[in-house]
Amino acid sequence: DAGVIQSPRHEVTEMGQEVTLRCKPISGHNSLFWYRQTMMRGLELLIYFNNNVPIDDSGMPEDRFSAKMPNASFSTLKIQPSEPRDSAVYFCASSVQGLNTEAFFGQGTRLTVV
Amino acid sequence: DQQVKQNSPSLSVQEGRISILNCDYTNSMFDYFLWYKKYPAEGPTFLISISSIKDKNEDGRFTVFLNKSAKHLSLHIVPSQPGDSAVYFCAASSTSGTYKYIFGTGTRLKVLA
Repeated sequence: DAGVIQSPRHEVTEMGQEVTLRCKPISGHNSLFWYRQTMMRGLELLIYFNNNVPIDDSGMPEDRFSAKMPNASFSTLKIQPSEPRDSAVYFCASSVQGLNTEAFFGQGTRLTVV
Repeated sequence: DQQVKQNSPSLSVQEGRISILNCDYTNSMFDYFLWYKKYPAEGPTFLISISSIKDKNEDGRFTVFLNKSAKHLSLHIVPSQPGDSAVYFCAASSTSGTYKYIFGTGTRLKVLA
């Protein structure tokens, strides 16, 4: 398996523009997570899906952020409108929900909002 | 509110010596703990884990210790190698809850040759 695939790897956009980050989880995994890495908060959980259903979105910072998982093999994280403080590395991870399992991470999308 | 805390942002160790990375948690519902390693421009990769029914788990040079009463875990790397230089994240999960993984802020380990 190719692992968790994220695109794009790098995104530079202007303040106010819409940004869409994409993720393909590992086939057979039924849980998907979006994280944001910052110096202050480390790996911050934004939202978590199980069987394509959003279970916990309490980490989504503002209404400008939204996430979808239309099927088991694809998820998007959208920021509209984007702001400079959204600049960070965004990671997607997937796992098989169950006892004593680990999450597998993609390589991340480095977002820069200017 | 940070439920998983790594209070040392960085650590430097001589090659061949022991590296000890620490992690504290506040939620008593957490019962599964993981360590991840992250190199620059890459995603975190799973290193080792421990269930709350154990107090120690060992995998080669890596050992994780869990002290449930203190809500504290640590990762020992012996002997440390220059290739171990990376950021290490501690994570916790509740297997009776939503199974989400809560991560700490990370500790940057530098192993000096």
